[in-house]
Amino acid sequence: KNQVEQSPQSLIILEGKNCTLQCNYTVSPFSNLRWYKQDTGRGPVSLTIMTFSENTKSNGRYTATLDADTKQSSLHITASQLSDSASYICVVSALAGGGNKLTFGTGTQLKVEL
Amino acid sequence: KAGVTQTPRYLIKTRGQQVTLSCSPISGHRSVSWYQQTPGQGLQFLFEYFSETQRNKGNFPGRFSGRQFSNSRSEMNVSTLELGDSALYLCASRWTGEGYEQYFGPGTRLTVT
Repeated sequence: KNQVEQSPQSLIILEGKNCTLQCNYTVSPFSNLRWYKQDTGRGPVSLTIMTFSENTKSNGRYTATLDADTKQSSLHITASQLSDSASYICVVSALAGGGNKLTFGTGTQLKVEL
Repeated sequence: KAGVTQTPRYLIKTRGQQVTLSCSPISGHRSVSWYQQTPGQGLQFLFEYFSETQRNKGNFPGRFSGRQFSNSRSEMNVSTLELGDSALYLCASRWTGEGYEQYFGPGTRLTVT
């Protein structure tokens, strides 16, 4: 069964600090992995997308890594800001006859405080 | 370019009723997907429509159905509502297939009492 597990479930950090969110998956055959940011009351917004051959991708202060061998990904946030407070969702896409099947993690709730 | 819009934004229904949610994709996007988001289960894929045809389907009961119109607008219907259907329903659009970025709407918050 395809699964995506994220840790920690929630996290509180001080503004300016760095943090790393984890995503472990058991999805096959693997197509790609996405990280989304979801602000409260809004739809998710894509941060990064990585395919099998990519092991790191950055989007401003967000850097995602992918280890396809261990089936792990991480999202590193540098110099956090209050606006980074949100839910971060890891989504893994599996190839499935004629299309793709998405498996979602339940997210990491990040709160950045002064 | 306008983003994905969903109507209504909030809805309260009673058990046993049915509900229809609407999604207008970004202009030019032909694929529309629907998701259910609950605190315990996270985001779960309902179905995807492309050019008025259902292209993918998640593991939801037949009470959940959808359709897409020729202008790519999509509707989702839930019949015989249950308390467990209370959730945020998100719609996402993209130009065509998996390789293109998916853009989410703000969602419709459905509460079933």
